[in-house]
Amino acid sequence: DQQVKQNSPSLSVQEGRISILNCDYTNSMFDYFLWYKKYPAEGPTFLISISSIKDKNEDGRFTVFLNKSAKHLSLHIVPSQPGDSAVYFCAASEASNTGKLIFGQGTTLQVKP
Amino acid sequence: NAGVTQTPKFRILKIGQSMTLQCTQDMNHNYMYWYRQDPGMGLKLIYYSVGAGITDKGEVPNGYNVSRSTTEDFPLRLELAAPSQTSVYFCASSYREAFFGQGTRLTVV
Repeated sequence: DQQVKQNSPSLSVQEGRISILNCDYTNSMFDYFLWYKKYPAEGPTFLISISSIKDKNEDGRFTVFLNKSAKHLSLHIVPSQPGDSAVYFCAASEASNTGKLIFGQGTTLQVKP
Repeated sequence: NAGVTQTPKFRILKIGQSMTLQCTQDMNHNYMYWYRQDPGMGLKLIYYSVGAGITDKGEVPNGYNVSRSTTEDFPLRLELAAPSQTSVYFCASSYREAFFGQGTRLTVV
């Protein structure tokens, strides 16, 4: 039972263009969503989050969009840089359920110079 | 500020051996977690804790045990190592956003 799904295992974009990473979820009780970035041989690092009361959150080059009716969220990176090449994980949590995070499978982003 | 510290970074175990993966955090977070990541897969929750003395099972708890005697420490115990436990293990602590350790790469042969 995969509650959080990232259906694209990989994405390749040109430097300077937009990267769009997608994530779907099935549990309607999720109320907080996060994106993590992971480089090889390192732990995941927090990137950006969004509460279910919002539909957009921006932080510099990173914007997360939430569509609750479709149970879908996306991460936009504009402009993409080679240093953004990493694995990106989507995660979700229920405030009422200890805040534990359920992760998607990850999407490997490659930004070509 | 060290954040979340895991030891060891690497370990090779023989089938049937046991070991403890150590995790400590200095952010005074109540919530702590253990995840495993298999190649090409996401992070699967093994066990979590909402505070000292309280632990609960995650998605994949079989073959593991945990304890939480202090806010800072959350060790993960493998009692009888099996090849299926070959993975990278991450400890994390959180308020809402989780902070992760560097990981422990475990190979069971």
